[in-house]
Amino acid sequence: AQKITQTQPGMFVQEKEAVTLDCTYDTSDPSYGLFWYKQPSSGEMIFLIYQGSYDQQNATEGRYSLNFQKARKSANLVISASQLGDSAMYFCAMRVTYQLIWGAGTKLIIKP
Amino acid sequence: DAGVTQSPTHLIKTRGQQVTLRCSPKSGHDTVSWYQQALGQGPQFIFQYYEEEERQRGNFPDRFSGHQFPNYSSELNVNALLLGDSALYLCASSASPGAEAFFGQGTRLTVV
Repeated sequence: AQKITQTQPGMFVQEKEAVTLDCTYDTSDPSYGLFWYKQPSSGEMIFLIYQGSYDQQNATEGRYSLNFQKARKSANLVISASQLGDSAMYFCAMRVTYQLIWGAGTKLIIKP
Repeated sequence: DAGVTQSPTHLIKTRGQQVTLRCSPKSGHDTVSWYQQALGQGPQFIFQYYEEEERQRGNFPDRFSGHQFPNYSSELNVNALLLGDSALYLCASSASPGAEAFFGQGTRLTVV
């Protein structure tokens, strides 16, 4: 079965610290894509970072990096130097064919 | 450049009624996908439209139907509303069926 698992329902992190959000996935399809999205209380899904299943290097986008460990089927998001504005829900998603399969999300709260 | 726009932003309907939600894709995008996000959960894929046809469908009953117009905008129709249909409905557009998805701000539907 194709599935995304996020095991951290919520996290509290001190401002300026780095934070790692966990994501594991399950698929038998050799071609897939992994995404991280941020969802503030306004509701809009904001794209953060993408990793293709055939990409050799871990993706990076500014303060965001994706720790892709294919053998372990994990795709953890690392946010460096967290900011108050990073407080939001974070979702890991996997694209298989044309649909995105989503995890349950992690609520991240940055403490000043 | 306008992003993905959805209307209305909020909607209250009575059980048994019908509702239509609308989505205009990002400029240059021809593919529209719809997702349902219940409170406290990750989004669930409803269906995707490309070239005015439903290309892929998730595990949703026939009460959920859609349409894509020649200008690539899309509608999501839900008939015989149930209380359990209360959710945030997200529209995403992409440049092709498998490309990166950009999301609108969502329509929050409440069924009473």
